[in-house]
Amino acid sequence: EAEVAQSPRYKITEKSQAVAFWCDPISGHATLYWYRQILGQGPELLVQFQDESVVDDSQLPKDRFSAERLKGVDSTLKIQPAELGDSAMYLCASSLYPTSANRGGELFFGEGSRLTVL
Amino acid sequence: SQQGEEDPQALSIQEGENATMNCSYKTSINNLQWYRQNSGRGLVHLILIRSNEREKHSGRLRVTLDTSKKSSSLLITASRAADTASYFCATGYGQNFVFGPGTRLSVLP
Repeated sequence: EAEVAQSPRYKITEKSQAVAFWCDPISGHATLYWYRQILGQGPELLVQFQDESVVDDSQLPKDRFSAERLKGVDSTLKIQPAELGDSAMYLCASSLYPTSANRGGELFFGEGSRLTVL
Repeated sequence: SQQGEEDPQALSIQEGENATMNCSYKTSINNLQWYRQNSGRGLVHLILIRSNEREKHSGRLRVTLDTSKKSSSLLITASRAADTASYFCATGYGQNFVFGPGTRLSVLP
């Protein structure tokens, strides 16, 4: 069964260091999402791509976070410099249709990347 | 402000019992989805219900939607220890899609 691949699964870094997460969505899924999930809370959207274009990055802290999906397939989320408050699970998801589409938009999630900033 | 919110925050039941979780939301929606998350893992889609639907079933899951009350419920029948997880509702409205804080379900053997 097709899956969303994410790496690394775990990352421990010191504050002020740079961190990068990678995501490979399910083949054919044009919509890709990066979510941040703090322990005990629901996922919060950081950025949404439609193919290679950013659809929504209104909640992305652009002073330190960046995301790209250059060829409209896999994606990278970068944090530089990392801060203590960035400790969280970073989840990537993909969908065949955007969640706003009338056809629905079931999201398929990867296993996530757990970031700990010391 | 948060669009959807699950109730209760935590639920503990015995194996074999039914578990009911509720989700309330604030604005008109296109659809509402329920997801499950095992500890330390990614979310798994359970069921999607559209705004013009009132009830859907999938195996041991039953979801209802009451748009007049802006609420949904997820019923898990004959619960198993493997159902222990966090359950999230997510509401789609306009271009937005927002997850609630979740209900933590513990099913005791």
